[in-house]
Amino acid sequence: GAGVSQSPSNKVTEKGKDVELRCDPISGHTALYWYRQSLGQGLEFLIYFQGNSAPDKSGLPSDRFSAERTGGSVSTLTIQRTQQEDSAVYLCASGTGGVRELFFGEGSRLTVL
Amino acid sequence: ILNVEQSPQSLHVQEGDSTNFTCSFPSSNFYALHWYRWETAKSPEALFVMTLNGDEKKKGRISATLNTKEGYSYLYIKGSQPEDSATYLCAPCSGSGNTPLVFGKGTRLSVIA
Repeated sequence: GAGVSQSPSNKVTEKGKDVELRCDPISGHTALYWYRQSLGQGLEFLIYFQGNSAPDKSGLPSDRFSAERTGGSVSTLTIQRTQQEDSAVYLCASGTGGVRELFFGEGSRLTVL
Repeated sequence: ILNVEQSPQSLHVQEGDSTNFTCSFPSSNFYALHWYRWETAKSPEALFVMTLNGDEKKKGRISATLNTKEGYSYLYIKGSQPEDSATYLCAPCSGSGNTPLVFGKGTRLSVIA
């Protein structure tokens, strides 16, 4: 497709389960970000991939969160042992870096019961 | 990660009023400044990416100015319309542009018809 694609669009899980969220960026985009929006909060940075460089993981809230980007394209955000406070909309964005704008996906809404 | 502040946090204006809000960021090692518009239940969309001190960009009734020496950018909306209601986010980029794009908390604008 032409845009950033995220799946699933909605995920309901039980506390303690692991979840995986997927992001398919725009083809050719070297930069990929994961952000989240918790209820009533702003856009919180989680992790940043740029080309072949080591990812910037400085925004990950705990070691239960991890992400990888395979082949410089698709990225998966994994949350282990989910907690209720992990409930949020997880947004992926891609771009070519620096002075070029980011393009956002529709987001994955995660609800942890 | 750069510290960015946006003010005011929220704003209510009447339809037809003009308004503006501020994004403040560290002026050292500046590279670029991004503005995004985020409507409820949608994904953020880029408005402007600004790089030059004194730069002014315009898109319809929305414009932005940049002062890299003092570390601020203003976003102006002329003749606000209800469809302008959204959260407006800014994010500075430093160094060579490979630092992650971390957004401010945003200014939530409500335009009352």
